[in-house]
Amino acid sequence: NAGVTQTPKFRVLKTGQSMTLLCAQDMNHEYMYWYRQDPGMGLRLIHYSVGEGTTAKGEVPDGYNVSRLKKQNFLLGLESAAPSQTSVYFCATDTLIGTQYFGPGTRLLVL
Amino acid sequence: GENVEQHPSTLSVQEGDSAVIKCTYSDSASNYFPWYKQELGKGPQLIIDIRSNVGEKKDQRIAVTLNKTAKHFSLHITETQPEDSAVYFCAAYSSASKIIFGSGTRLSIRP
Repeated sequence: NAGVTQTPKFRVLKTGQSMTLLCAQDMNHEYMYWYRQDPGMGLRLIHYSVGEGTTAKGEVPDGYNVSRLKKQNFLLGLESAAPSQTSVYFCATDTLIGTQYFGPGTRLLVL
Repeated sequence: GENVEQHPSTLSVQEGDSAVIKCTYSDSASNYFPWYKQELGKGPQLIIDIRSNVGEKKDQRIAVTLNKTAKHFSLHITETQPEDSAVYFCAAYSSASKIIFGSGTRLSIRP
């Protein structure tokens, strides 16, 4: 039982490059979330999904896209990376009563 | 929009002393209040939570109190140990706002 996993763990991009972050869960949770964490800013919600085939915008969605084609996977895409997107990205799943389970994070550096 | 304020942002206590972190929320419909601990290089992990029909909950050395009238809740850690050093996040959950996190408190335990 792996819980919530994230791929990759670390990535360096050049400005303008694209990439996809993968989140996978084996907990059978309906809700999945993508957050970014910057120093002193806490966790800010980028996008979330309330079930397979659904997505919704969070607090800071600009520059990101997401897809939830399968219940167990939630993908976060950066079409044209910018230095402002340098951050640590966390995926989380939700038990519908608010308890969230987080992945280990992806550290992204955009040069 | 709704928000959660968390204080202090940093806290340093002597090993063996108590630590208190306080949060205030704005959404009066919030009914679930989890606390997360984030160790260096890892994702946040749930350590304790409380629901709106309960005023206090305790689990060994950690306790959480909730004052719904004043819309604030607190985390208390007694007999602090070096392994308590981490960043702590409070959060408030409602069915409308979903989960909103505080900005975090960096707790350091001095030997």
